[in-house]
Amino acid sequence: KNEVEQSPQNLTAQEGEFITINCSYSVGISALHWLQQHPGGGIVSLFMLSSGKKKHGRLIATINIQEKHSSLHITASHPRDSAVYICAVRSRFKLIFGTGTRLQVFP
Amino acid sequence: DSGVTQTPKHLITATGQRVTLRCSPRSGDLSVYWYQQSLDQGLQFLIQYYNGEERAKGNILERFSAQQFPDLHSELNLSSLELGDSALYFCASSAGTAKNIQYFGAGTRLSVL
Repeated sequence: KNEVEQSPQNLTAQEGEFITINCSYSVGISALHWLQQHPGGGIVSLFMLSSGKKKHGRLIATINIQEKHSSLHITASHPRDSAVYICAVRSRFKLIFGTGTRLQVFP
Repeated sequence: DSGVTQTPKHLITATGQRVTLRCSPRSGDLSVYWYQQSLDQGLQFLIQYYNGEERAKGNILERFSAQQFPDLHSELNLSSLELGDSALYFCASSAGTAKNIQYFGAGTRLSVL
């Protein structure tokens, strides 16, 4: 079993829909990262969380340390949100990555 | 633009060869991280340097080595290349070592033929 599990693996949505991507982990962590990887391959850090909730524009990330679970929400999704979203946890000085969720938003 | 520069963007080489990937971190960032992204393994942490010293090691093969120079740029050396080393190699940098956002470079795509 992977130390970081994401669901779903693939997600399609219509423009304007509310989207949730889930991340569960089984190791002790000091922080959790959400990353976005564009079709061209570039990676952008969206959030880094160690507790609670963070919001940036239409993106919201939450983490529940007791349940070892995090969610990334996208409100009013747009085709430009189409990308792979990757959860990564910081454990013992290194990042451990989930396998990613491929999101496609259609107009 | 993340401010992290990786060169070259693409590299095509043959099995058994040696290559060097270069990374310049964001101005002021002391930590540099190297990651490998392959189709079958996903993203994996290779190694981290902080202010010139190795800080953490991940799934880095013995054929691979890295260093961080006094000007804080870093190089990842891959030797005795195998077909399975074909992957995207990312460098990232951050201000410190622990709870800091990492900024990723655009990656170097290595193809071993």
